[in-house]
Amino acid sequence: QVQLVQSGAEVKKPGASVKVSCKASGYTFTSYAMHWVRQAPGQRLEWMGWINAGNGNTKYSQKFQGRVTITRDTSASTAYMELSSLRSEDTAVYYCARDLARITTSGYYSGYFDYWGQGTLVTVSS
Amino acid sequence: QLVLTQSPSASASLGASVKLTCTLSSGHSSYAIAWHQQQPEKGPRYLMKLNSDGSHSKGDGIPDRFSGSSSGAERYLTISSLQSEDEADYYCQTPGVFGGGTKLTVL
Repeated sequence: QVQLVQSGAEVKKPGASVKVSCKASGYTFTSYAMHWVRQAPGQRLEWMGWINAGNGNTKYSQKFQGRVTITRDTSASTAYMELSSLRSEDTAVYYCARDLARITTSGYYSGYFDYWGQGTLVTVSS
Repeated sequence: QLVLTQSPSASASLGASVKLTCTLSSGHSSYAIAWHQQQPEKGPRYLMKLNSDGSHSKGDGIPDRFSGSSSGAERYLTISSLQSEDEADYYCQTPGVFGGGTKLTVL
């Protein structure tokens, strides 16, 4: 069965960076895109970006452009999300989520999610 | 700019049915959405992808009690025979955009 298992909670100081991992199992990792979504306390879910796990191409939300980097290690079937220049407003639970559709040769992905990780709480505090 | 609008809250009695609504902003009535459920203190769970014609494909293990339908710019999630574990937040989603979520209380 498909499983996405994320790394544990992090506490960071303002200005620091955080890197969250998402280990996939139960499917061919390189056949699907992986998205990252966050949820700040009391806020709606917010899409951050995605990576084509096959070729490594990425696309980021404009809101996070320049601060977020999504990478993957195909040998470990793991995706990573790194967020830099952290501020208190970045305190949130961060989720990875698998794209619903298998990536096509033209790089098509659906943008909808069918499996989610369990979430990683990142707390930014001085 | 695509916006998804959901009522903040809904409630229904144990064993009854409830219909939740997600409204697509003007000019986007042909878009498909996905419904996700988030139980308290848990990560989201994919329920289904719902097309503009009402056809839908559900996630693994999602009970038949969950169904979807569409009318114009509205996308609906109907939950029948409500159970206590259905008490959760329900989010609609399109690529890059989430609705604000509906908190469902089972009375």
